[in-house]
Amino acid sequence: GQNIDQPTEMTATEGAIVQINCTYQTSGFNGLFWYQQHAGEAPTFLSYNVLDGLEEKGRFSSFLSRSKGYSYLLLKELQMKDSASYLCAVLDSNYQLIWGAGTKLIIKP
Amino acid sequence: IAGITQAPTSQILAAGRRMTLRCTQDMRHNAMYWYRQDLGLGLRLIHYSNTAGTTGKGEVPDGYSVSRANTDDFPLTLASAVPSQTSVYFCASSESLADYNEQFFGPGTRLTVL
Repeated sequence: GQNIDQPTEMTATEGAIVQINCTYQTSGFNGLFWYQQHAGEAPTFLSYNVLDGLEEKGRFSSFLSRSKGYSYLLLKELQMKDSASYLCAVLDSNYQLIWGAGTKLIIKP
Repeated sequence: IAGITQAPTSQILAAGRRMTLRCTQDMRHNAMYWYRQDLGLGLRLIHYSNTAGTTGKGEVPDGYSVSRANTDDFPLTLASAVPSQTSVYFCASSESLADYNEQFFGPGTRLTVL
């Protein structure tokens, strides 16, 4: 079966750095996505990785290792507005997104 | 403002009733999707459409049907609602189904079936 694993909840301090991990086992791989979802709102796109390595976009970076079936999302200089759920999703061989349950990130002052 | 709209925002429905959730996008995207999101679970794909006139089944299609008469609209119908269909429903769209595929989401419909 297909499976995406990520921690259920994480807590971090404002101004700090946090890393949210995601491991996956899917039928095929056509890229990995990270989305942000604030409570009661729709998911919004953060990043896309299809090749191994680190992609940096401002305060957010995303890393992929296809051989290990592993990705992480790195958030720097945390702000209170970063409190949200972060969803990891893999595009499988049928070009359908398989989603993790999401990691709820709580930022404390 | 370009984007995706969904209606209704929320609905309480008696079991056994028929219900259609509406979704419209104005980005001229070819691909559209319906997901349900339940607490503790990831988004699950119900149905999708690659282009106007074609539809496909996702992970959890039973009890739902869709149509894609034109590029902009992608309604989701529950023929006879059951309590297990209580969920938040998101419609999404993307330029195409294949390859790099950022999906844009509508604001969601919160459905409660009693």
